[in-house]
Amino acid sequence: KQEVTQIPAALSVPEGENLVLNCSFTDSAIYNLQWFRQDPGKGLTSLLLIQSSQREQTSGRLNASLDKSSGRSTLYIAASQPGDSATYLCAVTWVKAAGNKLTFGGGTRVLVKP
Amino acid sequence: DGGITQSPKYLFRKEGQNVTLSCEQNLNHDAMYWYRQDPGQGLRLIYYSQIVNDFQKGDIAEGYSVSREKKESFPLTVTSAQKNPTAFYLCASSSQGLNTEAFFGQGTRLTVV
Repeated sequence: KQEVTQIPAALSVPEGENLVLNCSFTDSAIYNLQWFRQDPGKGLTSLLLIQSSQREQTSGRLNASLDKSSGRSTLYIAASQPGDSATYLCAVTWVKAAGNKLTFGGGTRVLVKP
Repeated sequence: DGGITQSPKYLFRKEGQNVTLSCEQNLNHDAMYWYRQDPGQGLRLIYYSQIVNDFQKGDIAEGYSVSREKKESFPLTVTSAQKNPTAFYLCASSSQGLNTEAFFGQGTRLTVV
């Protein structure tokens, strides 16, 4: 079964510390992996999309890596700020998925303490 | 502003009622999706459409129906057959192609009263 897992479910760090968020997936035959941010009661905001041929993507303080062979992606957020507090979700598009659908992990809820 | 608009933001349904959630996009995307989000369970796909007048069931389609009469619009009807409809519903769209980002609306929270 194709599954996406995010551990831990929740994370609390002091302001200024780097954040490391993990995502693992069971089948390495993926088209891409996408990281999203979700604020309470809101929709999802796309942060980064990594294609299967890429090893990493960067946007400002965010860096996402992809290791298909081990079925893992990591989202790094440098010098965290209280405004980074949110839930972060990763989602995979598998090669065999109909309609290019996304399969989501359960998310990691992040709290950055001032 | 380009984006996806979901309405209403909050919706209350009585037992036995059908309700329709609206999703409109002006991104000129071909593909549209409906997801359901429950606490602790992540997002699950209800229905998707890759082109006008065509749609497919997702993983949890029972008790839901959709239509895709226009490229911009993909409404979701939650029917009385859906036994546990209370959830947060998210609509998404993307361009056709294998490596395109998915964009999401702000969601509709449906509560059964």
